[in-house]
Amino acid sequence: GIQVEQSPPDLILQEGANSTLRCNFSDSVNNLQWFHQNPWGQLINLFYIPSGTKQNGRLSATTVATERYSLLYISSSQTTDSGVYFCAARSYNTDKLIFGTGTRLQVFP
Amino acid sequence: DGGITQSPKYLFRKEGQNVTLSCEQNLNHDAMYWYRQDPGQGLRLIYYSQIVNDFQKGDIAEGYSVSREKKESFPLTVTSAQKNPTAFYLCAVRGVSYNEQFFGPGTRLTVL
Repeated sequence: GIQVEQSPPDLILQEGANSTLRCNFSDSVNNLQWFHQNPWGQLINLFYIPSGTKQNGRLSATTVATERYSLLYISSSQTTDSGVYFCAARSYNTDKLIFGTGTRLQVFP
Repeated sequence: DGGITQSPKYLFRKEGQNVTLSCEQNLNHDAMYWYRQDPGQGLRLIYYSQIVNDFQKGDIAEGYSVSREKKESFPLTVTSAQKNPTAFYLCAVRGVSYNEQFFGPGTRLTVL
């Protein structure tokens, strides 16, 4: 099945800094999602982005499907951005959404 | 997502007991999923169902069972055969007409 890898595993930033999180996947996908898991465990949908670029406030994401990677950009980070960011992908002919192991982000004031 | 509810939020179980976790949705979505998350790890798929009265095993189905008698409900039973049941359990839904999945708030199960 499809493999999903995220980097870096951990990221420590000072408030106001920018960051880029990467997600590599091993097969063609018809679903690529980015999630933020808050301290209570809730998974918040950030982007549904199997291809192209999207922006939502300080966050944006780009998926280059032909090269099998996706990037999540966080600009002007805030302490509330702290948590774990997951990438998940689904390949064609399957109903399984496969998760990466996440990037743990800590933003300090 | 406000349309997906999981109960209870916290659950404690004695070793050797079966326990059932609830997942309900009012989004009229066809597909429902159960995932398990261990500390510091990603999510792993336990079972999923695309329509009522049908479900398939995911990657870690051993020691778990499910039913899908109604479109709105997809309960997960953690049986005594599951060797390491202490974990965070998340339910998700997906509509047929699009691919995006949405998650419930989760249930933390602790085996004492």
